[in-house]
Amino acid sequence: GAGVSQSPRYKVAKRGQDVALRCDPISGHVSLFWYQQALGQGPEFLTYFQNEAQLDKSGLPSDRFFAERPEGSVSTLKIQRTQQEDSAVYLCASSLKFSRDRGRPGELFFGEGSRLTVL
Amino acid sequence: AQSVTQLGSHVSVSEGALVLLRCNYSSSVPPYLFWYVQYPNQGLQLLLKYTSAATLVKGINGFEAEFKKSETSFHLTKPSAHMSDAAEYFCAVRTLEGGGNKLTFGTGTQLKVEL
Repeated sequence: GAGVSQSPRYKVAKRGQDVALRCDPISGHVSLFWYQQALGQGPEFLTYFQNEAQLDKSGLPSDRFFAERPEGSVSTLKIQRTQQEDSAVYLCASSLKFSRDRGRPGELFFGEGSRLTVL
Repeated sequence: AQSVTQLGSHVSVSEGALVLLRCNYSSSVPPYLFWYVQYPNQGLQLLLKYTSAATLVKGINGFEAEFKKSETSFHLTKPSAHMSDAAEYFCAVRTLEGGGNKLTFGTGTQLKVEL
């Protein structure tokens, strides 16, 4: 497709369940980001990939959160043993440019997000 | 560390009136600044960005923002509000931690446009 695609759009999980959220970036985009947006808040950075390499995972809130991008395209964010505080919209974004390009930053294109509700 | 502060979580204007959404930044280096718009149940869409070229930046949908270093501000304006402008708006700064291109967002301003 033309844009960043995320699935599922909505996910309801019982506390303690594992969930997996998928992101299909724009074809050819090198950089991929995951953000977490809690209700009424701005998005907060979780992790960043350049191709298949996870260069920054400083924003992952706990070791229950894990992200991968094994072939440098599709990425999956996995949350193990979900807790109520994990309820949020998880946004994926991709960019054509390398992160370490200190020139003008590449535009980030965001998906519509996956809304996770943990009961 | 770079950060942004958005003043006013909710702003209400009449259709046709001036829109002014405030954003102040904190950065130890020349910042790259952005405004994004988010419509309900959608992702973020880039409105405009400041990358140290012109201080007055024009974006999509008639929005513009002016970078004022002396005031550490990057306020978003639109001369005449339209009903379709009702959405949430986020100011963001590019941070250099982790190699750059990571955005730090403000808490957002919900814009309501009334007839």
